[in-house]
Amino acid sequence: DVKVTQSSRYLVKRTGEKVFLECVQDMDHENMFWYRQDPGLGLRLIYFSYDVKMKEKGDIPEGYSVSREKKERFSLILESASTNQTSMYLCASNPDRLRETQYFGPGTRLLVL
Amino acid sequence: GQSLEQPSEVTAVEGAIVQINCTYQTSGFYGLSWYQQHDGGAPTFLSYNALDGLEETGRFSSFLSRSDSYGYLLLQELQMKDSASYFCAVRDDKIIFGKGTRLHILP
Repeated sequence: DVKVTQSSRYLVKRTGEKVFLECVQDMDHENMFWYRQDPGLGLRLIYFSYDVKMKEKGDIPEGYSVSREKKERFSLILESASTNQTSMYLCASNPDRLRETQYFGPGTRLLVL
Repeated sequence: GQSLEQPSEVTAVEGAIVQINCTYQTSGFYGLSWYQQHDGGAPTFLSYNALDGLEETGRFSSFLSRSDSYGYLLLQELQMKDSASYFCAVRDDKIIFGKGTRLHILP
């Protein structure tokens, strides 16, 4: 079974803090993704990566950065957290560009005060 | 712009059949996927259509018409555990998700 894990299920941070969200997959997948999910807005793509040290902006990259130093790990960084970044953050992985299935982690619910 | 449209909510009765529609407008298109998400859970993959026609997987089927930029998810013999949100997603350069359809099932 594919397993995608995220470092925290719930996180509370203060405005202006630097926040790291970690995602690890154990199936040697090439592609990894970060989404945020908000009520009524569905899943919106923040950043994705098709290879180690490679990153591409998604639809809403502002205020975020990412790091992929190893194939299995994809980190999302909020450089200076703001209240409008309060959301559910979902990480996903996918074997390669030819296959469709995305495997999601359990999500991190982030509250920025 | 790129968009996917699906109803925000659908209600059906246990044991019945329900269809959730998805229309899309994207610059590129490789295929249409469907995901299920229960409250508090992560989305899980249900199906993928790259070509026109119907794909069946147990009680769930998914249909695609590329010429109409339209697809649907069909759930048969509804069970209470099917109460969830369902998302369609289109792949062009990256994957774009619809806003989701909340399925309510009445006993």
